[in-house]
Amino acid sequence: GENVEQHPSTLSVQEGDSAVIKCTYSDSASNYFPWYKQELGKRPQLIIDIRSNVGEKKDQRIAVTLNKTAKHFSLHITETQPEDSAVYFCAPRGNNQGGKLIFGQGTELSVKP
Amino acid sequence: NAGVTQTPKFQVLKTGQSMTLQCAQDMNHNSMYWYRQDPGMGLRLIYYSASEGTTDKGEVPNGYNVSRLNKREFSLRLESAAPSQTSVYFCASSEVDRGRGYTFGSGTRLTVV
Repeated sequence: GENVEQHPSTLSVQEGDSAVIKCTYSDSASNYFPWYKQELGKRPQLIIDIRSNVGEKKDQRIAVTLNKTAKHFSLHITETQPEDSAVYFCAPRGNNQGGKLIFGQGTELSVKP
Repeated sequence: NAGVTQTPKFQVLKTGQSMTLQCAQDMNHNSMYWYRQDPGMGLRLIYYSASEGTTDKGEVPNGYNVSRLNKREFSLRLESAAPSQTSVYFCASSEVDRGRGYTFGSGTRLTVV
């Protein structure tokens, strides 16, 4: 099955700095690459996603980049704010029926004011 | 438009008791999923339903059963609860053909004593 790894597991930055989280996957047939944000005690929420025919996508302060050859994709957050503090999950989707997502272990981001 | 609704939000069971977690979505999505989340871990797929009338095992199906009652509803049943099933359970739905990500319910916090 799909093997998904996220790095780092924890990340602490100063407000205003940038944060980068990397996700590696094993299924070369993966074709959809989302990132989810989960605040403490809340449900995960989709914040950005990218498909295999696109290398980069940006939405205001967040961006996702994809390297299909190396089988990894990354979440970039610029000008971090305290409200960006949360756990972030990658969940690449392989070429499978039903669209099931296999989640990484999560990265706990802490933005210090 | 409520999205994905899960009930109950909290539950305490004794070892050996049974219960059913309910999930309903009003977005006309074809696919539905059950995940569990344990402290410090990512979300692990229990079962999923690619479409009405079909169900398949995920990463951690042992001790659980599911029913896709109709297109809207997907229930998760614990026949004989064990302490190892103490977790937060999330239901999600998606429209895979439209290439969109998951919408999650608010979660059920289950404790088995």
